[in-house]
Amino acid sequence: DIQMTQAPSSLSASEGDRVTITCQASQDITTWLNWYQHKPGKPPKLVIYDASKLEKGVPSRFSGSGSGTDFTFTISSLQPEDIGTYYCHQYDTLPLTFGGGTKVEI
Amino acid sequence: QVQLVQSGPEVKKPGASVKVSCKASGDTFTNYGINWVRQAPGQGLEWVGWISPYNGKTKYSQSFQGRVTMTTDTSTTTTYLEVRSLRSDDTAVYFCARERDPYYDNPHYFDPWGPGTLVTVSS
Repeated sequence: DIQMTQAPSSLSASEGDRVTITCQASQDITTWLNWYQHKPGKPPKLVIYDASKLEKGVPSRFSGSGSGTDFTFTISSLQPEDIGTYYCHQYDTLPLTFGGGTKVEI
Repeated sequence: QVQLVQSGPEVKKPGASVKVSCKASGDTFTNYGINWVRQAPGQGLEWVGWISPYNGKTKYSQSFQGRVTMTTDTSTTTTYLEVRSLRSDDTAVYFCARERDPYYDNPHYFDPWGPGTLVTVSS
């Protein structure tokens, strides 16, 4: 199975801060990577797909980059409604696997 | 607007089976694959498997091979996940998540997700 290693596991930042999360795959997954936002009490939501493409309706402060094994997810200006846990997710190879998650707090 | 409605919480004893449902509305049911993802208490997300409502084709995580079965009922636009030989570490919220795009033969983008069904396994 492809292991997805996310860092950090949690972070606390101030409103307006730039937040960066990394995700490393145990093997090359080209750009077959998604990022999901999971707010407390709600189901996860697709935010970024194919490593860098912004899902429809998602604010432009969210972005993703990377290819191969190393990926980055960025919130350019953290807002209170962005709190939750973010997961990377590879769909290059079955079984699909998720990173361990990054809990974002303000 | 696509909606996924899941069945209610379940409490089961170790060794028992559970069947969770996910009813889809708002789009052509057979065009979109359905995934199941679970989240154990305090843990991250774990993919369980995928089913095509079009032809019943399934792909399961090897972690569950032999213990899970996914089925669909096109007449009620409902997808089912059955987990057998339940263990305490199967205690989790089970989410169904539809594929965002139609006609794909493999899981890739999960959107939208259902609200989740809590399955508790306890003696």
